[in-house]
Amino acid sequence: GEDVEQSLFLSVREGDSSVINCTYTDSSSTYLYWYKQEPGAGLQLLTYIFSNMDMKQDQRLTVLLNKKDKHLSLRIADTQTGDSAIYFCAEWAGGYQKVTFGTGTKLQVIP
Amino acid sequence: SAVISQKPSRDICQRGTSLTIQCQVDSQVTMMFWYRQQPGQSLTLIATANQGSEATYESGFVIDKFPISRPNLTFSTLTVSNMSPEDSSIYLCSVEEVRENNYGYTFGSGTRLTVV
Repeated sequence: GEDVEQSLFLSVREGDSSVINCTYTDSSSTYLYWYKQEPGAGLQLLTYIFSNMDMKQDQRLTVLLNKKDKHLSLRIADTQTGDSAIYFCAEWAGGYQKVTFGTGTKLQVIP
Repeated sequence: SAVISQKPSRDICQRGTSLTIQCQVDSQVTMMFWYRQQPGQSLTLIATANQGSEATYESGFVIDKFPISRPNLTFSTLTVSNMSPEDSSIYLCSVEEVRENNYGYTFGSGTRLTVV
């Protein structure tokens, strides 16, 4: 089956930038998503990118996609303590294909 | 985006019993999904529930263990039957919706199940 990999843990200081990386194997991925899961909560869609895009910026969030290398990243500028959560990347090829989630990256923001 | 109410938010259950989780959406949606998130793990799709038809289960999940109802376009239930400690997980429902002409998936807040 398709595979989505992420590093398990990232620690940054408040005010610094965070970069969370994700690699995937499905070359037919059409949509790539970033979700945030705070402790005890469900998943919140942060942003998404089409596979025909290289970059998408949304306020403090920047998504970079390298389709050749099947590499996706999420950059959070000016990271705040409220950004501490688990971040999941996910890919979807569209149609009746199921969404495949990564293993999640736990972001710890140090005050 | 759609608002999903999922309940119960958490429960502690005895092994051998069953728990039914409810998922209510504030708008009509065609496809609803049920996921399991085991401790420290990513999300695994259990089944897809379309209104008016049998749910479609993923490999490793069966209807007898996880019966699903989808009586209308805004509601679904997932039952975890004959529970064992291995069923201790977070269960999430999700809907597919169109956002800015693209597809995205919205999730409920999850049901944290502990089986003792």
